[in-house]
Amino acid sequence: GQNIDQPTEMTATEGAIVQINCTYQTSGFNGLFWYQQHAGEAPTFLSYNVLDGLEEKGRFSSFLSRSKGYSYLLLKELQMKDSASYLCAVKDSNYQLIWGAGTKLIIKP
Amino acid sequence: IAGITQAPTSQILAAGRRMTLRCTQDMRHNAMYWYRQDLGLGLRLIHYSNTAGTTGKGEVPDGYSVSRANTDDFPLTLASAVPSQTSVYFCASSDGDNTEAFFGQGTRLTVV
Repeated sequence: GQNIDQPTEMTATEGAIVQINCTYQTSGFNGLFWYQQHAGEAPTFLSYNVLDGLEEKGRFSSFLSRSKGYSYLLLKELQMKDSASYLCAVKDSNYQLIWGAGTKLIIKP
Repeated sequence: IAGITQAPTSQILAAGRRMTLRCTQDMRHNAMYWYRQDLGLGLRLIHYSNTAGTTGKGEVPDGYSVSRANTDDFPLTLASAVPSQTSVYFCASSDGDNTEAFFGQGTRLTVV
């Protein structure tokens, strides 16, 4: 079967750095996405990786290792507004998105 | 403002009733999707459409049907609602295989 694993919940301090990991086992791979979802709202796109390596976008970076079936989302200079769930999703061989259950990130002052 | 709109925002529905959730996008995206999101689970694909006139079954299609008469609209119908269909439903669209999906604001459905 297809599986995406990420931690259920993480806590970090305002101004700090946090890394959210995602491991996947899917039938084929056509890219990995990270989305942010605030409570009661829709997911919004953060990043996309299809090749190995690091993609940086402002305070957020995403890393991919296809050989290890592994990705992480790195959030720097954490702000209170970063409190949200972070969803990892992989496009499989049929280009369908397989979603992890999400990591709830709690930011403390 | 370009985007994807769902209606209603929330609904309480009696079991056994028929219900259609509406989804409209004005971005001219070919692909559209319906997901349900339940606590502790990832988004699960119900049905999808890669282009107008075609639809496909996702991971959890039972009890749901869709149609795609044109590019913009992708309604989801529950023929006879059951309590296990209580969930938050998201409609999404995307422009291609390797592009991100854009989501509607969601419909919170409670079946009692």
